[in-house]
This record gives sequence, C-alpha cells and structure tokens, in this order.
Amino acid sequence: AQKVTQAQTEISVVEKEDVTLDCVYETRDTTYYLFWYKQPPSGELVFLIRRNSFDEQNEISGRYSWNFQKSTSSFNFTITASQVVDSAVYFCALSVSAGGTSYGKLTFGQGTILTVHP
Amino acid sequence: SAVISQKPSRDICQRGTSLTIQCQVDSQVTMMFWYRQQPGQSLTLIATANQGSEATYESGFVIDKFPISRPNLTFSTLTVSNMSPEDSSIYLCSVDRGGGYTFGSGTRLTVV
Repeated sequence: AQKVTQAQTEISVVEKEDVTLDCVYETRDTTYYLFWYKQPPSGELVFLIRRNSFDEQNEISGRYSWNFQKSTSSFNFTITASQVVDSAVYFCALSVSAGGTSYGKLTFGQGTILTVHP
Repeated sequence: SAVISQKPSRDICQRGTSLTIQCQVDSQVTMMFWYRQQPGQSLTLIATANQGSEATYESGFVIDKFPISRPNLTFSTLTVSNMSPEDSSIYLCSVDRGGGYTFGSGTRLTVV
C-alpha cells in the first residue's frame, strides 16, 4: 500500500520569506509518480508538478523548486520569496503505474495549509 | 491537459435525498476518478470509472451509496444517495491524461 505523509499541518510566514513544505512517501513499487497540487480557497486543485521515480533531478519553476531524494523517500517543495497569493493548501500525492500510459490512482497526503501574511 | 466541466458547483440538499454530479471531459479518456474531500481533510478516492465496465470502489465505499455511470469516454456521473450530514464534502472528478491528473472544479455539497 502507498502512503504519503505531510507532517506540517499549518505553516505561517511573512511575505518574501522562503518556505519549504515537506513530503515523505512510502511504496514498495519501483515505478511510481509524485505530484504536488495547490488548492486555493476557491477549492479547485491546481497541478504543480509530476516527477517519476527514475528522475531524481531537482526542478525549478520560477519561485517554485522541488527536491526529490529517493534515499530518504522525500519530495519537498520550496517557495522562494513567498507572496500572499501563495496562501493555499498544498497536497503531495503518489501514484504507482497501472500499466500502459496510466499513472494509476492517487494517494494524497493530509495537506499543508500555507498562510502568507503581508 | 484535459479540461473538465463539473456540475453543479455547489448544492444544499435535504437528508435522505440524492444528488447526481456530472463531469464532462473535453477529450476521450480511459479512466475517470471520483474523490471526496471532507471538511478540512485530504482527498480520498471513492472509485475508478472505466467506460463499459463496472466502477471499481475503494474500501469503505459501496455502489449502493455512490452509484457511478460511465456511458462514454468523455462523461461520468456520481450519485450520492440517501444523503446524511456526514456526506457534506467536496466531490471532485479527475482524469489521468497527458502530463498528469486534471481535476474538475469540484462540487461543494452541504446536507442539512
């Protein structure tokens, strides 16, 4: 079975601070996919990134960066110079391949509520 | 990525009644997923819907309570039956296509 743990329930920062959201996962599969989603107060889920288990390269996208470390089963997400618009719930998720081109079903972490104060 | 139209966006329902939620995708997809997000909680998969076959339900979810239809490769419905206040949640559909999963905008259900 798969499991995703986001130990940080809530984080509060002041604008322009850097913030890291932690994600630890468990799976026995060797092929799996990791995701981060943002859920703003409006409720929709916004896809941020997908990373497969064979690609440990870190990724940067603007103010966002992700650090994937298989040795510690972690996939952490850092927001640099946070802004008020970053305030949302962030979910880390895991799926294992269901065969073919399917990523299989998602297992979500509990989410981290990020509040960025002006 | 796929575009999903989900409706209704919200509803307030009386206990004992049923609500059907619809998801329309702008392209054909093999699998559609239905999730529930209870207040302040994470997302939990209810079932996976494949076209032309019975939906596959996760532990704790049963067809009588959450019947699903999947008449074609672009459409699915989830019905929440015989509702109680405990069913108050956000329900989301999702498809797996291209770079990852896309979610509908969600249906915010309140049962009174």
